[in-house]
Amino acid sequence: DQQVKQNSPSLSVQEGRISILNCDYTNSMFDYFLWYKKYPAEGPTFLISISSIKDKNEDGRFTVFLNKSAKHLSLHIVPSQPGDSAVYFCAATTQGGSEKLVFGKGMKLTVNP
Amino acid sequence: DAGITQSPRHKVTETGTPVTLRCHQTENHRYMYWYRQDPGHGLRLIHYSYGVKDTDKGEVSDGYSVSRSKTEDFLLTLESATSSQTSVYFCAISEDRVAGGPTGELFFGEGSRLTVL
Repeated sequence: DQQVKQNSPSLSVQEGRISILNCDYTNSMFDYFLWYKKYPAEGPTFLISISSIKDKNEDGRFTVFLNKSAKHLSLHIVPSQPGDSAVYFCAATTQGGSEKLVFGKGMKLTVNP
Repeated sequence: DAGITQSPRHKVTETGTPVTLRCHQTENHRYMYWYRQDPGHGLRLIHYSYGVKDTDKGEVSDGYSVSRSKTEDFLLTLESATSSQTSVYFCAISEDRVAGGPTGELFFGEGSRLTVL
């Protein structure tokens, strides 16, 4: 059973517009959520995170929103740039000591010039 | 960039042969992980380590073993490779939180692409 779901495999947006990447989770014990970005032939890199005590975390052009009641989080990229084209993974864990980060299947974002 | 290197970066082998992938870190982090990435599956945890000689299974550990005899090295072994183990393997490390346990923020290596014919 998939605990972290990224239901859309791909998204294409125009440069300068907003990109919204969605993620749903089923395990109510998750209390820490992360987004990773991956370019081809490279390892994933950490992008942004949010704790369940917050509903929003912002870092430059990247904002993550968390809706605990809906078990849903989203990553907003504004404005989108061609260099943002990559695969984005949503991940979740419990901060209470779990060593296991659970990843979604990933979403490929393409930002067109 | 976190000091983490994987070797080999590419390997082609035949079914039934043993394969060992090496992950080396220079950060002195306690936590190390092996993931595999496959189309339609994202990143799945194979095994992880929380210290020298301390390891545990992830969600797809069957057919894999690991060893950690030094803080800096984490080895992944396929005792008898199968075609279903063709994948890209990523090693990752994580810092400790002040309160103990990993932060959840992983630093990944560049990956090892394994093809089993």
